[in-house]
Amino acid sequence: EAQVTQNPRYLITVTGKKLTVTCSQNMNHEYMSWYRQDPGLGLRQIYYSMNVEVTDKGDVPEGYKVSRKEKRNFPLILESPSPNQTSLYFCARTSETSVPKADTQYFGPGTRLTVL
Amino acid sequence: AQKITQTQPGMFVQEKEAVTLDCTYDTSDPSYGLFWYKQPSSGEMIFLIYQGSYDQQNATEGRYSLNFQKARKSANLVISASQLGDSAMYFCAMKRAGGGNKLTFGTGTQLKVEL
Repeated sequence: EAQVTQNPRYLITVTGKKLTVTCSQNMNHEYMSWYRQDPGLGLRQIYYSMNVEVTDKGDVPEGYKVSRKEKRNFPLILESPSPNQTSLYFCARTSETSVPKADTQYFGPGTRLTVL
Repeated sequence: AQKITQTQPGMFVQEKEAVTLDCTYDTSDPSYGLFWYKQPSSGEMIFLIYQGSYDQQNATEGRYSLNFQKARKSANLVISASQLGDSAMYFCAMKRAGGGNKLTFGTGTQLKVEL
């Protein structure tokens, strides 16, 4: 079964304490993304990756880093978290099956982060 | 720039009735895809249905269908025979071809199915 896993699912931390949210997919897909969801704003893309060692910024990259050292993993790193990064975070993989569902993104279960 | 607009913050529907959730979009790209996702109270994002901009027919997936009106730039989701389990937040999203794998989301519609 195709899966995207995220850890941790819930995290409460304090301002400035570095943290990493892991994301892993078992389908060998090339494209992966990170989104954050905030009330009234829908989901907004933070970063995406097209392949190993290839990443690029999305709409709201400030305060975040990512890495893609291997195809299955795409961790999100908050070097110095601040309260405005309190949000629900989703990792997504992109299906590469045939048209017409090309580029469908499938999401992980989400990580609820609170920064105090 | 792309934009998705969902004008219905909340909707109520009775069980077994059909409901339409509105979505309009704005893009200058000739090639794009439109998606609907469901987010139940448990929080996960569940893919429901996809429509390509060049698709001649409206997409259908079980009880879900997408009423795609390209000239009006609308992509409304129709849920037939609503069930209590359909109560959730629904998001419309768009991706342009070659767009860096970015989905642009609307703000969502909260659907409540009542007995």
